[in-house]
Amino acid sequence: AQKVTQAQTEISVVEKEDVTLDCVYETRDTTYYLFWYKQPPSGELVFLIRRNSFDEQNEISGRYSWNFQKSTSSFNFTITASQVVDSAVYFCALSEAWAGSARQLTFGSGTQLTVLP
Amino acid sequence: DAGITQSPRYKITETGRQVTLMCHQTWSHSYMFWYRQDLGHGLRLIYYSAAADITDKGEVPDGYVVSRSKTENFPLTLESATRSQTSVYFCASSEGLAGESTDTQYFGPGTRLTVL
Repeated sequence: AQKVTQAQTEISVVEKEDVTLDCVYETRDTTYYLFWYKQPPSGELVFLIRRNSFDEQNEISGRYSWNFQKSTSSFNFTITASQVVDSAVYFCALSEAWAGSARQLTFGSGTQLTVLP
Repeated sequence: DAGITQSPRYKITETGRQVTLMCHQTWSHSYMFWYRQDLGHGLRLIYYSAAADITDKGEVPDGYVVSRSKTENFPLTLESATRSQTSVYFCASSEGLAGESTDTQYFGPGTRLTVL
C-alpha cells in the first residue's frame, strides 16, 4: 500500500528565510507520480507540481524548488526567501500508475507553514 | 471558465438527516473524486468515478452514496448524517488519460459540513 509521510506538522519561519518541507513516500510501484498542493487560509487546494517517477530532475519555479530523490523516497519542497503569503498548509501526495482504475491520490497529513513578518 | 464548483459551501444539519453535496465541473474531465478533510488525517478518498455511471469506493466510503448520471456532475449523499461526518468535503476532477499532462487532480473550493 502506498503511504506519504510529512513528519513536520508545523513550521514557523521569519520572512525572507528559506524553508524546506519534507515528504517521504512508500510505494511498491516503479511508476508513480508525486504532487504538492497548497492550502491557504481561504481553504482551497491549489496544485503546485506533479512529478513522474522516471524524472528525477529537480525543478525550480520562481522561489519554489523541488528535490526528488528516489534513493531516499523523498520529494522535498523548498521555498526560498519566504513571504507572508506563503503561509499555508502544504500537502504532498502520491499516485500509483496501476492500470484499470483511477490514479488515486494518497495524501500526507500536511505541514502548516507560518511565515512571520 | 468556472472549472470545478461545489455547493453549498457551508451546511449545518442534524443527525439522521439526508444531505447532498453537489459538485460540477466544466472541463469534461473523465474522473471525479470526493475527499473528506479532517484534522490530522489530510485528505481521504470517499468515492471516485471514472465516467458517467461508473463509480467505486475509496478509503472511507461507509455512510456515503454517490451517483454520476452526467459527466459534469458528481453528487455525494449522506443518507443519514452522523456527527462523525462533520468535515470539509472536497470534490476533484482529472482527465484520467494516459500521458504526462494528465492525471493531475484539480479541486473544488470545498464544502464545510457540520452535523449537530
